[in-house]
Amino acid sequence: EPEVTQTPSHQVTQMGQEVILRCVPISNHLYFYWYRQILGQKVEFLVSFYNNEISEKSEIFDDQFSVERPDGSNFTLKIRSTKLEDSAMYFCARGGGGRVTEAFFGQGTRLTVV
Amino acid sequence: QKEVEQNSGPLSVPEGAIASLNCTYSDRVSQSFFWYRQYSGKSPELIMSIYSNGDKEDGRFTAQLNKASQYVSLLIRDSQPSDSATYLCAVRGYSGGGADGLTFGKGTHLIIQP
Repeated sequence: EPEVTQTPSHQVTQMGQEVILRCVPISNHLYFYWYRQILGQKVEFLVSFYNNEISEKSEIFDDQFSVERPDGSNFTLKIRSTKLEDSAMYFCARGGGGRVTEAFFGQGTRLTVV
Repeated sequence: QKEVEQNSGPLSVPEGAIASLNCTYSDRVSQSFFWYRQYSGKSPELIMSIYSNGDKEDGRFTAQLNKASQYVSLLIRDSQPSDSATYLCAVRGYSGGGADGLTFGKGTHLIIQP
């Protein structure tokens, strides 16, 4: 059973368009994260979300990106004005239960910008 | 700039043998260390976490941490063909708290030969 459920599994968008990736936690946790992995490259941290606020963000997470928890449950990652180099797998992860420093990943959304 | 280095491989190991995977990290104050397994096209799956110097065993897996040498390793005993995957080393920053993002290495591609 996945720790979080991500939708869609694959998204194709035209360059310059906005995309919204969604993450649905299976149960209540305090810590959530977004990571991305460009094909053939390492997994990269984008942003962490704690107690409904952004806690930490990387240099990658610039003004093109935003995160929200619009209904108190689902998480969204919005990418504005997509570029070809935004093509990647985007993973949502949740913090661990007893040991909050562990991260458990969802199945990912493959974003293809054409 | 935090760096996590791994030999990209491929590392080829006969079935039933011990596979040894290594990782070094640059940030001396890192507190939490993780090994993830990633099958091609899938999301990272947490297999081990370690926080203190020494060895930690879980089934066929043993994680080893040496903070003085900034070195983490993973041993897989009785290797099985299903262990063939890319193994990612990940490190969490100095505060060790759950909100910090993980820094990943590029991963070692492990092949278990039947």
